[in-house]
Amino acid sequence: SYELTQPPSMSVSPGQTARITCSGDELGEKFVGWYQQKPGQSPVLIIYEDSKRPSGIPERFSGSNSGNTATLTISETQAIDEADYFCQTWDTFVVFGGGTKLTVL
Amino acid sequence: QVQLQESGPGLVKPSQTLSLTCTVSGDSIRRGGYYWSWIRQHPTKGLDWIARIYYSGTTSYNPSLASRFIISVDTSKNQFSLTLRSVTAADTAVYYCARQWDGSGNYFDYWGQGALVTVSS
Repeated sequence: SYELTQPPSMSVSPGQTARITCSGDELGEKFVGWYQQKPGQSPVLIIYEDSKRPSGIPERFSGSNSGNTATLTISETQAIDEADYFCQTWDTFVVFGGGTKLTVL
Repeated sequence: QVQLQESGPGLVKPSQTLSLTCTVSGDSIRRGGYYWSWIRQHPTKGLDWIARIYYSGTTSYNPSLASRFIISVDTSKNQFSLTLRSVTAADTAVYYCARQWDGSGNYFDYWGQGALVTVSS
């Protein structure tokens, strides 16, 4: 079955750029979505169709997808961006990545 | 504003059947254009998509999960439901319902707050 691989964790300093990757076989040929989940809360869609932002999502969140890797980029990272981030695509069914815990310190 | 609300028992005994319902407000399931999904998250773990249903009753299930799940829809109540037979401790998780775009990306744009289900005797 299709799998998406994310680094389990990463850290970034406030004001710096965080790049979270999501890898899968020929992932660039599929659409990818990204979700942010803070402790005790439901996931929130922050990127869909590789690079589109839903209404209300700050411009510092952006996405790209090419080859075997999709990337979520968070520019000028803030403390409030500390959360778990999940990528998601559709193969013959929904597939989520394992999630990346982003620490801002 | 679209809202989804899960309801169901917080505690279920092993081998029993779990039933969860998701009530949708701010949108009509019957409108089409979206699937209605169930997703679960084990404690401190990732997200597992379970199943989805269209207003017409068309369903899809995650083949990687056991075939103990059944998803159903009641358009007259604007609700959809998930039934899980013969639960075990491994089914302890937060269960989310979500609206899923029926188009490119198949992304989930609205989620419920989640229902914690604990399987324990």
